[in-house]
Amino acid sequence: DQQVKQNSPSLSVQEGRISILNCDYTNSMFDYFLWYKKYPAEGPTFLISISSIKDKNEDGRFTVFLNKSAKHLSLHIVPSQPGDSAVYFCAASGYSGYSTLTFGKGTMLLVSP
Amino acid sequence: NAGVTQTPKFQVLKTGQSMTLQCAQDMNHNSMYWYRQDPGMGLRLIYYSASEGTTDKGEVPNGYNVSRLNKREFSLRLESAAPSQTSVYFCASRWSDTGNEKLFFGSGTQLSVL
Repeated sequence: DQQVKQNSPSLSVQEGRISILNCDYTNSMFDYFLWYKKYPAEGPTFLISISSIKDKNEDGRFTVFLNKSAKHLSLHIVPSQPGDSAVYFCAASGYSGYSTLTFGKGTMLLVSP
Repeated sequence: NAGVTQTPKFQVLKTGQSMTLQCAQDMNHNSMYWYRQDPGMGLRLIYYSASEGTTDKGEVPNGYNVSRLNKREFSLRLESAAPSQTSVYFCASRWSDTGNEKLFFGSGTQLSVL
């Protein structure tokens, strides 16, 4: 049973427009959420995170929104750039007493010039 | 500033062969992890070590063993490789602070089992 779901395997956006990547979770014990970015042949790198006590966190072009009642979070990238083309993983933690991250399957973002 | 270093980067094994994937981190983190990434499956936790001297199973531990050699090093062993273990393996270490955490990943080991 998937506890973290990224229902869109891929997303295509034009350069300069907004990219919105979505993530849903089922476990109400999750209280911390992260987004990771992964380029081919590299390890995932941390992008941005949000605690369940917040509903929004911004870092430059990246903003993560959390809707706890809907168990939904989204990553907004504005404006999108070709270098943002990568696989984005949503991850969640907090349910096990000891923190291990549970990852979604990822969304491949392609930003075209 | 090496971060998390994994070796080897690539490996081809025959079914039944054994091998050990090495991982070391230089960030003085207590916790370390092994994940595998398969197409369409995301990142799945194999084993983790909350601190030196402890290890625990993750979501997909069957066919693997781990050793937390010291605070820096966490190795993953395949005793008898199977084609189902063809995957990309990532080691990670965890930084945490009050209310914040993140994993730092190595660059991965691409393993093919024929």
